[in-house]
Amino acid sequence: DAGITQSPRHKVTETGTPVTLRCHQTENHRYMYWYRQDPGHGLRLIHYSYGVKDTDKGEVSDGYSVSRSKTEDFLLTLESATSSQTSVYFCAIRAGGSDRVFEQYFGPGTRLTVT
Amino acid sequence: DAKTTQPNSMESNEEEPVHLPCNHSTISGTDYIHWYRQLPSQGPEYVIHGLTSNVNNRMASLAIAEDRKSSTLILHRATLRDAAVYYCIPAGGTSYGKLTFGQGTILTVHP
Repeated sequence: DAGITQSPRHKVTETGTPVTLRCHQTENHRYMYWYRQDPGHGLRLIHYSYGVKDTDKGEVSDGYSVSRSKTEDFLLTLESATSSQTSVYFCAIRAGGSDRVFEQYFGPGTRLTVT
Repeated sequence: DAKTTQPNSMESNEEEPVHLPCNHSTISGTDYIHWYRQLPSQGPEYVIHGLTSNVNNRMASLAIAEDRKSSTLILHRATLRDAAVYYCIPAGGTSYGKLTFGQGTILTVHP
C-alpha cells in the first residue's frame, strides 16, 4: 500500500465550515496528489505537489488549497465547505524516477459529506 | 492529454481470459500507456504500463498496437477479485506524472 494513510476516513461537516484532510506517507516520495471522485466523473486531480512547499493546481482546484511543509504530509483544505464538495477524496504518491515511467499508489480515501 | 475510448462495461467468467481494449488514437509519441484498476470501495491500483513493446507482470499483460493507437489489457485467468473498473491512461508526455482518469471499463466476473 506504499505506506499511505488518510485522515479522517469519514467526515460530515456543515456548509461554510473549514475542513482539512491529511495524507501521510512513510516512504519519502517527492510527488503527491489529491483527487476527488464523484459518480459519473471518475477521478479528477485537485492539486499536486512536487516537493516540500512546491504545489500546483490540477483540473478542479477552485475552493481548495493545499500545503506541504514536510515530505510526509500533504494537506488539503476546504476553506469554506460547500455541498458540491461532497465527494470521496483520494491521495496518491508517485513512485518511479521520471515523469514518463512511474506508478501512482493511492490511499484508502476520505469520504466527505457536506450538509 | 490524449483522449481514450474504452467500453463502458464487459463481462467475463471466472478462470477465463479477459481482453480489455482501449483506443488512444491521439497519444503523443512520448506517452506511456498506463493501466489502473479500482476495486469497489478502494482507491485505484496500479496494474501495468508500457511504451511500445508488449509488457507482462504478475497481474496482467499489456499488448500495444504497432501504431500505438490502441492497447489491450489481458487478464489471463479472471478471478472474482478482478471485478473492478479498469482505466487506460496515456501519460508521461507532460510534467509531474499527472494522470487523467476517464470513465474506464466496469469488468464483471461471473463465478
